[in-house]
Amino acid sequence: GENVEQHPSTLSVQEGDSAVIKCTYSDSASNYFPWYKQELGKRPQLIIDIRSNVGEKKDQRIAVTLNKTAKHFSLHITETQPEDSAVYFCAASSSGGGADGLTFGKGTHLIIQP
Amino acid sequence: SAVISQKPSRDICQRGTSLTIQCQVDSQVTMMFWYRQQPGQSLTLIATANQGSEATYESGFVIDKFPISRPNLTFSTLTVSNMSPEDSSIYLCSVAGDNYGYTFGSGTRLTVV
Repeated sequence: GENVEQHPSTLSVQEGDSAVIKCTYSDSASNYFPWYKQELGKRPQLIIDIRSNVGEKKDQRIAVTLNKTAKHFSLHITETQPEDSAVYFCAASSSGGGADGLTFGKGTHLIIQP
Repeated sequence: SAVISQKPSRDICQRGTSLTIQCQVDSQVTMMFWYRQQPGQSLTLIATANQGSEATYESGFVIDKFPISRPNLTFSTLTVSNMSPEDSSIYLCSVAGDNYGYTFGSGTRLTVV
């Protein structure tokens, strides 16, 4: 089955700086890669996702890049703000369209220092 | 995206008992997914529930421990059976919406004492 590795487990950055979280996956059949933000006591919220036919996707301060050859994808957050502090999870799915569930990375605790 | 209502939001249960968690979606969906999130950990897929057929369980999860019902396209239940303190976790249901996005319910925080 799929295995998703996520690094780092904790990331502390100064407010206004950029943050990068990296994930690798093992199953070459995976074709959908979402990123979730989870605040303490709340459900995971989808913040951005990318499909295997796209190399990069951007939404305001958030971007995701995908390298299918190397089987890795990354989350980039620019101009970080205190409200970006949370746990971020990457995930992968091999079917897309909702036929299969998601395999998650272990998460990154992002801390934005004021 | 779909709106999911999950209940109960939390419960404290005695070991050896069972708890059934309900998940109601505001639109018809083919697949519903159940996850477990142990304290301070990531999410792990328990099973996939397809209406009209038996649920498909991931490695390490069995039907006797986590029976699932899926009576129609908007509803599913997960039962945690014969509970022990190791079952203390957050249990979440999820559905896939249009354009691949997966939405989660608010979760059920289970404490077994």
